[in-house]
Amino acid sequence: DQQVKQNSPSLSVQEGRISILNCDYTNSMFDYFLWYKKYPAEGPTFLISISSIKDKNEDGRFTVFLNKSAKHLSLHIVPSQPGDSAVYFCAAKKYGNKLVFGAGTILRVKS
Amino acid sequence: EAGVAQSPRYKIIEKRQSVAFWCNPISGHATLYWYQQILGQGPKLLIQFQNNGVVDDSQLPKDRFSAERLKGVDSTLKIQPAKLEDSAVYLCASSSGGASTDTQYFGPGTRLTVL
Repeated sequence: DQQVKQNSPSLSVQEGRISILNCDYTNSMFDYFLWYKKYPAEGPTFLISISSIKDKNEDGRFTVFLNKSAKHLSLHIVPSQPGDSAVYFCAAKKYGNKLVFGAGTILRVKS
Repeated sequence: EAGVAQSPRYKIIEKRQSVAFWCNPISGHATLYWYQQILGQGPKLLIQFQNNGVVDDSQLPKDRFSAERLKGVDSTLKIQPAKLEDSAVYLCASSSGGASTDTQYFGPGTRLTVL
């Protein structure tokens, strides 16, 4: 039962352009959404989050958009840099802090 | 501030053997999590501790997996006996509390290969 889905296994973007990573969820009880970034041989690191009462949150080059009616969120990276190349996980929380992760999207930023 | 520490980083065992993983969370963090990440999938929560009490172990295969967090600090995760499908990265994470907005900080993980 995949409650959080990242349908694109990989994405390739040119340096300086926008990267858009997408995520869909099925459980309407989720109240908090996060994006984590993971480099090889390291654990995931927190990137940005958004509460279900908001539709946008911005932090520097990273913006997360939430569309509750469509149960969809997206992460925008502008401009993309080679150091952004990593696996990006979308995650959602139910009440009580249980994180549910998507399968991840590999982002490759070409210089 | 030191991050979440895990050991060993890599472990190779044969099926039916036992294995244990260790985690030291960030100092002062009350909540500790163990996740299993199978190749090509996202991390899956196995167990969550609040101090030294279990909050959620609904996805822990209790016939072979066990975990403890003595004194509310370090934690160990054990698999006995291991199966081929247990091959995965085992991630430990910690957070200061249990609220929805508390950020979870992950360790580097232990990569387990079961032959």
